[in-house]
Amino acid sequence: NAGVMQNPRHLVRRRGQEARLRCSPMKGHSHVYWYRQLPEEGLKFMVYLQKENIIDESGMPKERFSAEFPKEGPSILRIQQVVRGDSAAYFCASSPSTGDSEKLFFGSGTQLSVL
Amino acid sequence: GQQLNQSPQSMFIQEGEDVSMNCTSSSIFNTWLWYKQDPGEGPVLLIALYKAGELTSNGRLTAQFGITRKDSFLNISASIPSDVGIYFCAGQPPYGGSQGNLIFGKGTKLSVKP
Repeated sequence: NAGVMQNPRHLVRRRGQEARLRCSPMKGHSHVYWYRQLPEEGLKFMVYLQKENIIDESGMPKERFSAEFPKEGPSILRIQQVVRGDSAAYFCASSPSTGDSEKLFFGSGTQLSVL
Repeated sequence: GQQLNQSPQSMFIQEGEDVSMNCTSSSIFNTWLWYKQDPGEGPVLLIALYKAGELTSNGRLTAQFGITRKDSFLNISASIPSDVGIYFCAGQPPYGGSQGNLIFGKGTKLSVKP
């Protein structure tokens, strides 16, 4: 039973480059969430997606950030023209479509470092 | 916006000791969850609480959903070295935001007493 898989674990980008973070949910889960964690802080909600649909993007910055969860393949969080302030740990979580939908299962995260 | 305040921010434990931590908010929550995060890893769900007053155990861990719906407590009995880590509370507010749009506290860091 594979858990939530995220890659890469570590990503280094220079200012102005693009960052792509991938997430495959747990088997049987169709809901995906992205969270961001700054050092010494709790996690902050960014976006909630179902297959081919963005359900709630209230936590996403208005510019440079986008997310998708295509019919086939992993969910992608894309950050364009990265800046130093984007350096953080980005966690993906998934939940089942019915029943315990509040129980989020997290991946190990992608640590993004912007030089 | 809604915030969760966790206390203490950090604490040292000695093996065998009982540990208590709590999470409070100025607004009510429908669901409380407790997570543990080890360095370099994602949070792992420990306990989920759904009803005011609910008391739930998971091994040596016990958590309660406060009657006012504005707080929650986590207790760890007879702590062991592998209990070290950061414990986060998270809540699902009743209004605004979708499922999975959780509010997280800043965490309580458990370390071994030197």
